[in-house]
Amino acid sequence: RKEVEQDPGPFNVPEGATVAFNCTYSNSASQSFFWYRQDCRKEPKLLMSVYSSGNEDGRFTAQLNRASQYISLLIRDSKLSDSATYLCVVGTGTASKLTFGTGTRLQVTL
Amino acid sequence: GEEVAQTPKHLVRGEGQKAKLYCAPIKGHSYVFWYQQVLKNEFKFLISFQNENVFDETGMPKERFSAKCLPNSPCSLEIQATKLEDSAVYFCASSQGAGSSYNEQFFGPGTRLTVL
Repeated sequence: RKEVEQDPGPFNVPEGATVAFNCTYSNSASQSFFWYRQDCRKEPKLLMSVYSSGNEDGRFTAQLNRASQYISLLIRDSKLSDSATYLCVVGTGTASKLTFGTGTRLQVTL
Repeated sequence: GEEVAQTPKHLVRGEGQKAKLYCAPIKGHSYVFWYQQVLKNEFKFLISFQNENVFDETGMPKERFSAKCLPNSPCSLEIQATKLEDSAVYFCASSQGAGSSYNEQFFGPGTRLTVL
């Protein structure tokens, strides 16, 4: 079983749709949680850190459930430019290595 | 600088040749990380540094791979006697580390290594 599991997709959604991605992690010692996006084998770019209380940044909302070891990302009002692979990423503490899920591919269409 | 810089962008080597990759972290960041991304989006952690000291080398293959971060020089990752399976994109990332509340890592553009 992988340490960080994601549905690989692809998710094909029309512009304006709301889409949700889920992720589970197996290491209960995990302390830091992130969503990164990666375009066409370019570098991963930090989308948002995920806090226990949940957090929102514009159209993006992230939630963390430590008891279930589950992380989610909600994208509202999808744009064409949101098309990318979304990586669920977990760390065990300050300056620890990151463990990546295999990513969920999103394709937003007209 | 304000971004992680990596050179070269692309590197092609014949099997058995040496490959050396470079990374300059964001100015003021104390930690440097190397990751390898192969097909199917699999990221593998290789090694991390706190300034010039090895912090975590649990992902580093024992043979053929070595890395350094020396003062006033870019960090480097060297692969001796490359093999076909070393073909991948190698990403460097940096983070502030101590004093940073959340350990966010910022990635460079990567070096695509192709071993023929």
